[in-house]
Amino acid sequence: SQQGEEDPQALSIQEGENATMNCSYKTSINNLQWYRQNSGRGLVHLILIRSNEREKHSGRLRVTLDTSKKSSSLLITASRAADTASYFCATDTGNQFYFGTGTSLTVIP
Amino acid sequence: GAGVSQSPSNKVTEKGKDVELRCDPISGHTALYWYRQSLGQGLEFLIYFQGNSAPDKSGLPSDRFSAERTGGSVSTLTIQRTQQEDSAVYLCASSLRTFSYEQYFGPGTRLTVT
Repeated sequence: SQQGEEDPQALSIQEGENATMNCSYKTSINNLQWYRQNSGRGLVHLILIRSNEREKHSGRLRVTLDTSKKSSSLLITASRAADTASYFCATDTGNQFYFGTGTSLTVIP
Repeated sequence: GAGVSQSPSNKVTEKGKDVELRCDPISGHTALYWYRQSLGQGLEFLIYFQGNSAPDKSGLPSDRFSAERTGGSVSTLTIQRTQQEDSAVYLCASSLRTFSYEQYFGPGTRLTVT
């Protein structure tokens, strides 16, 4: 069964609004990473949060991790049309990476 | 420096044929990963290398799949006797060390089995 599950599956917002997507996982992890995949382009690493961290920021991105609930959230503030992409969480168990099925984000100009 | 490169970018093959997919990681990256992404799906972890060694091959979908890495650099993913369900995009990524490091992905090889 899949380790990482994102929700919502799809999200559509207006430019300037904030976007929040969530990731849940099943087993203990060493760290959790978020990646972005634009249509027709490769996967790009966004941010890594370790299991002993609770929150991390990078530019307009804020990631939280709750290991007791086995969940993470990615917040993109002041969204732009260029943020339109699929977003995946990836959990690192120490010997495997598990990617979820992703959240498809559409930012409407 | 150059990013991760993969070849070919597209491969169409007939069912039953063997295919080889190649990945050139970023120079100096000791870890290399192979994934498979089916249409509209997430990434399925296949195998990873630390140097030339693949400690865990349990992610490979069947014994028709094999992978090797030579010289701590280039890796080849081989699929023997291809089946239609093997059709997918095969992605390679590399990182400085295994796990706990960000991965840099290649553009992928789109495999179509007819």
